[in-house]
Formats: sequence, structure tokens, C-alpha cells
Amino acid sequence: EVQLLESGGGLVQPGGSLRLSCAASGFTFSTYAMNWVRQAPGKGLEWVSGASGNGRRTYYADSVKGRFTISRDNSKNTLYLQMNSLRVEDTAVYNCAKGRGVDDYYMDVWGKGTTVTVSS
Amino acid sequence: EMVLTQSPVTLSLSPGERATLSCRASQSVSSYLAWYQQKPGQAPRLLIYDASNRATGIPARFSGSGSGTDFTLTISSLEPEDFAVYYCQQRNNWPLTFGGGTKVEIK
Repeated sequence: EVQLLESGGGLVQPGGSLRLSCAASGFTFSTYAMNWVRQAPGKGLEWVSGASGNGRRTYYADSVKGRFTISRDNSKNTLYLQMNSLRVEDTAVYNCAKGRGVDDYYMDVWGKGTTVTVSS
Repeated sequence: EMVLTQSPVTLSLSPGERATLSCRASQSVSSYLAWYQQKPGQAPRLLIYDASNRATGIPARFSGSGSGTDFTLTISSLEPEDFAVYYCQQRNNWPLTFGGGTKVEIK
């Protein structure tokens, strides 16, 4: 069974940092693009970042560019999101989502999410 | 940034009725558009990709159409489990973007 399990969320002060992880299982991780998508309380979906299967191509939403870094360790079947200079508006549930192919960014499997709260 | 505008914001219908949801892009996305369903407390589920292809396991009552800037998700006959929020998403341009969502509620 294909599964994604996020971890690393929590409460952090504005300006702080967090690193999210997404452990993947049940598929050949390196052959699929991966994404981070967030959803603020009561709001819609916002795509945050994506990485190709080999991790060499990475992409970011304008709202997080320069502050967040996506990476992946294909030997550990794990996706990461390093979040620096966090702002109150980054408060959301962060989901990792599997792409349909190595460079296909439609999202066909989603994790349950990890909650990030940025507050003083 | 590509803007996707979904309409209506809320659609009130009864089980058995036909639902027609719209997604309009601020510029052409060719056919690189997907639709997702999200129920309260759950992660989204991919329904349609490349505008008209049903994802694995999606019932035939869900269909997608359109190209360029105008797209439609149709649910031919609403089942009780179809009442949810629906989002469109484009992958033609970076950054990827989602629409604001359409809530399909029970009338």
C-alpha cells in the first residue's frame, strides 16, 4: 500500500525554523515527483513546493521562495521541507503529495498532514 | 502567476441531481488541469487529470472537459458521498496553482 507520513510540525515563533519530513512507502520513491501543499485553517489548498524524482529540479510558490527549501533523500525514501524565517501566515497543515510520474506534478497520493503554527 | 477562478463558490443540490463546476484560468493551461475532491478532515483525492482523464478508481459519474482557459467538472448524478469541496489545479506553468474551491452542499 502506498503511504506518506509527515512529521516535524509544531509551534514556532515568527522568524523561527522548522524541518518537515515525509516518509514514503509502498512505491519506488525515486521515480516520482513529490510536492508539499498547505492549507491554512478554513482556507483552500496552496501548493508550496515540488521536486522531481531525482531532486535536481525544484520549484517554489512565490510566497515561500527564498525561505523554504525542498529536498529528498531517495536512499531513505524521505522528502523534506526546510522552513526558515517563518511568518504567522505560514500557519497551516502541510501535506506531502506524490506526483503521478517522475516529472508529473498532479498529486495522486496524499499524506494526512502535519500542523505548523507560527505564533508568538 | 496563473490564477484559477472557480465558480460557483457554493452549489446547493439534492442527491441524484447533476452538478456542473467551472474552473477558468487567467491564461491558457492547454489541457494540464486536474480536479480534486476534499471532504472535511481528509486529504484531497485526485479525480481527473489532463482535463478529462479519470484517476484510478474514480467512478464514471465524474467527468471533466475543457481546454485552454475554460474547464468543467461534471458529476452526472450526485451520490451522498459526493458532497464535498472540489478544487482545480494547473500544472502548465510554474508555480503550480489551485483554484479557490467549490463547495457542493446538500440542498
